[in-house]
Amino acid sequence: IVLTQSPATLSLSPGERATLSCRASQSVSNYLAWYQQKPGQAPRLLIYDASNRATGIPARFSGSGSGTDFTLTISSLEPEDFAVYYCQQRSHWLTFGGGTKVEIK
Amino acid sequence: QVQLQESGPGLVKPSETLSLTCSVSGGSISNYFWSWIRQSPGQGLEWIGYIYDIDSTNYSPSLKTRVTISVDMSKNQFSLKLRSVTAADTAVYYCARGYCSGGNCYAGLGEFWGQGTLVTVSS
Repeated sequence: IVLTQSPATLSLSPGERATLSCRASQSVSNYLAWYQQKPGQAPRLLIYDASNRATGIPARFSGSGSGTDFTLTISSLEPEDFAVYYCQQRSHWLTFGGGTKVEIK
Repeated sequence: QVQLQESGPGLVKPSETLSLTCSVSGGSISNYFWSWIRQSPGQGLEWIGYIYDIDSTNYSPSLKTRVTISVDMSKNQFSLKLRSVTAADTAVYYCARGYCSGGNCYAGLGEFWGQGTLVTVSS
């Protein structure tokens, strides 16, 4: 299964809302997760099964979608949220999208 | 807090075997899924495989002919062997523990990760 993320880069200011998209080449049901990765660090699990926040993840992060179209929303960007975000499916083996970079405008 | 640390050679020759170990501290290795994931500029993030208990493994379809993941309960470690490597196997290799919540544990989700180790395949 191929996961396509858009946009490749999102330029926003702190306090703005971020909306990231992930599209699967075939249905993954709700088996879709989102990770955040900062330079030089390992990915951090944010959302699993499309809409469940992982332990300790702030409420400003939310996920939605099912089937082939999914969205990660960051309601109000904090300075520490500028990073690369990956989606990952666990319906048919385990694959990642190519990432969306959220950068400071 | 669970901590993971990868160790192993940073340079491997083509056609040889890449061997890495992940040492787990702050928690038991029992009753969790343990994974290896790699990241390269060309291939992005790629899940290599995972192990549960001593001998329940699942590998990437594209790598399964070359991969073995094993666990050493006595040392609280698990290991990766990738045979017949080429330059395409050059990547940062991460180990990770599967996510658990509400009594459920998930093989294909990484909650705790190591810092990653760069392995270069070159003669």
